[in-house]
Amino acid sequence: KAGVTQTPRYLIKTRGQQVTLSCSPISGHRSVSWYQQTPGQGLQFLFEYFSETQRNKGNFPGRFSGRQFSNSRSEMNVSTLELGDSALYLCASSYGRGPLITGELFFGEGSRLTVL
Amino acid sequence: SQQGEEDPQALSIQEGENATMNCSYKTSINNLQWYRQNSGRGLVHLILIRSNEREKHSGRLRVTLDTSKKSSSLLITASRAADTASYFCATATNSGNTPLVFGKGTRLSVIA
Repeated sequence: KAGVTQTPRYLIKTRGQQVTLSCSPISGHRSVSWYQQTPGQGLQFLFEYFSETQRNKGNFPGRFSGRQFSNSRSEMNVSTLELGDSALYLCASSYGRGPLITGELFFGEGSRLTVL
Repeated sequence: SQQGEEDPQALSIQEGENATMNCSYKTSINNLQWYRQNSGRGLVHLILIRSNEREKHSGRLRVTLDTSKKSSSLLITASRAADTASYFCATATNSGNTPLVFGKGTRLSVIA
């Protein structure tokens, strides 16, 4: 069974640009969560999608958005990039509706974004 | 905001020794999970312990949970160089659809 796939793995952007990151969950998983990881703040929750609906959103500005498609694949978008958006963006999938119901999250390898 | 806080932030031991990492959290939980992350990679789930459990084992891993102290510990026995990684605790609360909240992790270095 293929794991969680994130693309691209690495990307470099300049301030003011926008970026779209993609996540393909494990086959059969309907929940996708996104996290931002930085050395200073650690792992910060961005949002969670289940069956194409955003069920939860973290404390991030509106420049951060996401969506989920009918095949459970998810994308997140960051507009008007700032230097502080440089981070490892991690996607995680689970079968059911989050850690309360099913427990563990399965993570992808992440997309490392550098903003210059 | 972080729910779990790991202690110590960094730990360096010799191969064959045991490594103990601690996690403290603030609110009531449904379950607590431990994950491992090799440098710059994704997180890998290690073990989940529910709030009504006190101890759980998986191979060389032993996790304890003390809900009265709101703390958990992860013990890795007979450490190997391959155990070098960052270890995170993550908590799931009982409140509706709240997400899994991670601590900042303990960086473990196992020296051969």
